[in-house]
Amino acid sequence: QKEVEQNSGPLSVPEGAIASLNCTYSDRGSQSFFWYRQYSGKSPELIMFIYSNGDKEDGRFTAQLNKASQYVSLLIRDSQPSDSATYLCAVKNSGGYQKVTFGTGTKLQVIP
Amino acid sequence: DAEITQSPRHKITETGRQVTLACHQTWNHNNMFWYRQDLGHGLRLIHYSYGVQDTNKGEVSDGYSVSRSNTEDLPLTLESAASSQTSVYFCASSDSGASDTQYFGPGTRLTVL
Repeated sequence: QKEVEQNSGPLSVPEGAIASLNCTYSDRGSQSFFWYRQYSGKSPELIMFIYSNGDKEDGRFTAQLNKASQYVSLLIRDSQPSDSATYLCAVKNSGGYQKVTFGTGTKLQVIP
Repeated sequence: DAEITQSPRHKITETGRQVTLACHQTWNHNNMFWYRQDLGHGLRLIHYSYGVQDTNKGEVSDGYSVSRSNTEDLPLTLESAASSQTSVYFCASSDSGASDTQYFGPGTRLTVL
């Protein structure tokens, strides 16, 4: 079982819709959770991080964390074509100081 | 502005040659990381460092080495390049504070022929 799992997609949504990206993780002691966006040929860039159960909102982005279910999600409201990218879920493991495990990413396509 | 840079951005080399990829950060971060990214595998950790003179192996460290002589730099060396090491390499850094957020360099695309 992979430590951090994401559906590879592609996930296609129409412009203006809500895109929902999901991630599950296996290390129950994980403390910190990150969402990165990666455009084709570019490096990952941080969108959000979340530590506590519940929702965290930043503009059009909302991260949701449920530690009991070992599940973290990213919602993108009013999706724009510029949101088309691969979204990486990353989890800071309980054992390794500062070490982070990345999922393989979900490719999002926003259709104009 | 603080940044993290990598050089070269593209490199083509031959099997058996030694190759060094440079990573330089001006964030003054203690922690630095090297990843490779391949289709179907995502980002995999090669080596990491928590400070000067500290280096640690990641999950795919065979055939790679690093050294940390100052805070700003963590060069990655491929001792004898193999075709299986053709990949995109990313360097990242993070602070030792609460955020744990890693910031990535622009990447180096390495091709081993």
